[in-house]
Amino acid sequence: EAEVAQSPRYKITEKSQAVAFWCDPISGHATLYWYRQILGQGPELLVQFQDESVVDDSQLPKDRFSAERLKGVDSTLKIQPAELGDSAMYLCASSSRGFRTEAFFGQGTRLTVV
Amino acid sequence: GENVEQHPSTLSVQEGDSAVIKCTYSDSASNYFPWYKQELGKRPQLIIDIRSNVGEKKDQRIAVTLNKTAKHFSLHITETQPEDSAVYFCAPGGTSYGKLTFGQGTILTVHP
Repeated sequence: EAEVAQSPRYKITEKSQAVAFWCDPISGHATLYWYRQILGQGPELLVQFQDESVVDDSQLPKDRFSAERLKGVDSTLKIQPAELGDSAMYLCASSSRGFRTEAFFGQGTRLTVV
Repeated sequence: GENVEQHPSTLSVQEGDSAVIKCTYSDSASNYFPWYKQELGKRPQLIIDIRSNVGEKKDQRIAVTLNKTAKHFSLHITETQPEDSAVYFCAPGGTSYGKLTFGQGTILTVHP
């Protein structure tokens, strides 16, 4: 069964360092989402891609976060510099075309900033 | 943007009882209403969804009902089992390239 792949699974970094997460969506899925989930809360959308274009990044802290999906396939989310408050689970999800279709989630990357 | 509220935030039931979780949303243009289940340490997974042209959908022990006029939809689980214990999220959306806005979650505990 096809799955969304994410790496690394766990990341510990010191504050002010740079960190990057990678996501490979299900093959053929045009829509890719990056969510941040703080323990005990619901996932919060950071950025949404339709193919290679960003269609929503209204909640992305653009002074430190960046995301790209250069060929409309896999994607990278970067944080520079990391802050203590960035500690969270970063979830990638994909769906076939976005509109009214199921979003499939990856296992996530657990980030701890020390 | 979409404002989403879930109630209750925690729900404790005995095995075999029914459980109902309600989700209220603000964007009247929303046309897709999914429910996700997240077990401890795992990824969210879709358990049932409904589109705006349907009032109710059932899949074995789970059902979702939609009231578009009042802007809320509910998850119904009958004959609950311990393995239903998890966090449940609603995520209304469907507009704006299919953006999904998640609620804060409901922790369901089913006691044997």
